[in-house]
Amino acid sequence: QKEVEQDPGPLSVPEGAIVSLNCTYSNSAFQYFMWYRQYSRKGPELLMYTYSSGNKEDGRFTAQVDKSSKYISLFIRDSQPSDSATYLCAMTINTNAGKSTFGDGTTLTVKP
Amino acid sequence: DGGITQSPKYLFRKEGQNVTLSCEQNLNHDAMYWYRQDPGQGLRLIYYSQIVNDFQKGDIAEGYSVSREKKESFPLTVTSAQKNPTAFYLCATHRGGSPETQYFGPGTRLLVL
Repeated sequence: QKEVEQDPGPLSVPEGAIVSLNCTYSNSAFQYFMWYRQYSRKGPELLMYTYSSGNKEDGRFTAQVDKSSKYISLFIRDSQPSDSATYLCAMTINTNAGKSTFGDGTTLTVKP
Repeated sequence: DGGITQSPKYLFRKEGQNVTLSCEQNLNHDAMYWYRQDPGQGLRLIYYSQIVNDFQKGDIAEGYSVSREKKESFPLTVTSAQKNPTAFYLCATHRGGSPETQYFGPGTRLLVL
């Protein structure tokens, strides 16, 4: 069983919808939780990261971490066609993000 | 893509051939990483280096080799021992501290002829 499991998708929503992307994990030592956005044939870019449990909001994006359930989510409000991409969750024990464990990604399409 | 350059964008390998992927950065970051991404999968760590002239194996190092002779450069060689090299290869750097200081390059797509 993988350390990080991500809802596989693909996900297709109409413009303006609220999107929920989710990952579960098994390693209770993970402390930093990241969400990356990856456009087709490009390198990933960090959207948000959260340390330990709690919520973090940045514009239309909200990241949630529930360490008791080993569950993290990324919510996208008022989704736009430009949000169409693959979203990867990643987790690490310390700030060494380079040694993160990644989920397999969820591909999102937002239709105008 | 920050200040990370990967070349070439596409690379074709023949059977039994070694090929080298280039990664150059001008961010002055100490740490550099190589990942492999297969379709529908996340990133898997091949090798990483936290300082010049030192590097460590990641989770899937077999069939790959690296060098770190300069801070700016971290080339990856895919050897003939790697039997399934077709994938998207990503280089990344990290300044340290917060995850916000990690950046990825644009990637190299390797295909086997």
